[in-house]
Order: sequence, then structure tokens, then C-alpha cells
Amino acid sequence: QVQLQESGPGLVKPSETLSLTCAVSGYSITSGYFGGWIRQPPGKGLEWIGIIYHSGSTYYNPSLKSRVTMSVDTSKNQFSLNLTSVAAADTAVYYCASRPLLPASMGWFDPWGQGTLVTVSS
Amino acid sequence: QSVLTQPPSASGTPGQRVTISCSGSSSNIGSNTVNWYQQLPGTAPKLLIYSNNQRPSGVPDRFSGSKSGTSASLAISGLQSEDEADYYCAAWDDRLHGPVFGGGTKLTVL
Repeated sequence: QVQLQESGPGLVKPSETLSLTCAVSGYSITSGYFGGWIRQPPGKGLEWIGIIYHSGSTYYNPSLKSRVTMSVDTSKNQFSLNLTSVAAADTAVYYCASRPLLPASMGWFDPWGQGTLVTVSS
Repeated sequence: QSVLTQPPSASGTPGQRVTISCSGSSSNIGSNTVNWYQQLPGTAPKLLIYSNNQRPSGVPDRFSGSKSGTSASLAISGLQSEDEADYYCAAWDDRLHGPVFGGGTKLTVL
């Protein structure tokens, strides 16, 4: 079955760029793929960051859109997240997750990666 | 503030039936399907219900979902101690062009 694993720095300095990668195993994303990033600040709820198709088409949360870029690397079977100009409020556990190949409005997140904690601090 | 509204907490005793509500608007729950996620302490969220009332393979039939108008509900019957977790509803929002989540409900099994 599909499994996802996030990777990236656990500590990022304020004003710098947070970069994370989600490795997909058990499925070739060249066959068609729809994935996303979600984050969860410590002790708080879930916030959607963005969704990307294997073709590169994206949907970004309007509140983060000016700072977010997502991309797909089919050769490495992974997709990535870049979040620029980070601040303490961006400290969170970042999850990647898959979505079914359905119209975006009809989908759900499953499965999820285990998550990676990113702390923004100098 | 979350786009979808859930009660922050719920509780029940073993064997009881509990329900968790999720309120939205015409741009999300009113026009799209609802999904529910369970997050056990210290773990990643897991899909519990999709497309309003469908259970993924492996989810016990004690869990059920329903939707009416701009609201949805998750029901858990025969409550068990291992059901103690945070529960989140989610739905696509046509105005925001993305999935939105409820603030989460912490379920305590007394």
C-alpha cells in the first residue's frame, strides 16, 4: 500500500525558507497522483497548506499562498513544499498525505505520513 | 477560527453512544462531501469516514457519519477506551478552493 515519509530540517531560522520533501512508496506517481501538505501547530488543530497533482497543478491555502510553492519530482517519486519568510507562527508538525484521483472537491486525505516537527527559532 | 465548527470536547462512558457535530456553510458542507479523521495521542491523523458516510477498510462499524444541509455528524456507538482521541471533520470549500477542517473535538472516555 501507499506509504509517505516527510523529511527536512527540524529547525529553521525566522525569515528563512522551510523546505520539506514527501517520499511516496508503494506507488509510482507517474501513474497519476494527488497529494497535499497539512500542518498542526503544537496543541492546535489541522490547517491545510496546499494540494498538488502529479502534473504540477496546485491549490494553495489563500492565507499562505504568497509564501507557498509545491512541486513534484517524478524521477524521485516525491513531492515538496517550500514556505518562505517563516516566523514563529509557522512552528508546527507538517504532514504530507495522499488524495484519491477524483475531482479535488470530492477527495480526502489518506494515507498520511507520520509528520515532522519544524520549529522556527533563531 | 476554523471554517467548520465543532464542539471542543465530548465525553461518554464505555458502551455509550456519542455524537460529534460539525457545522459549516453552503460553500463547504452544503455543497460537498464530509470526511472525518481520528487522531490518537501522539500520532498522525487517520481517515475514519469519507464521502459523508463511507468507512475505509478496517474501520469498525461502530463509527458512522451523516450529513444534512450544512451540518454533519460523527456517531460512535459501543464506546471503547481506545476511542479516546481528537476527531476532525473536513470538507472542500468552493470559495477557498481547498479542503477546510473543523477545530477538532477531544473525546474523553470516562
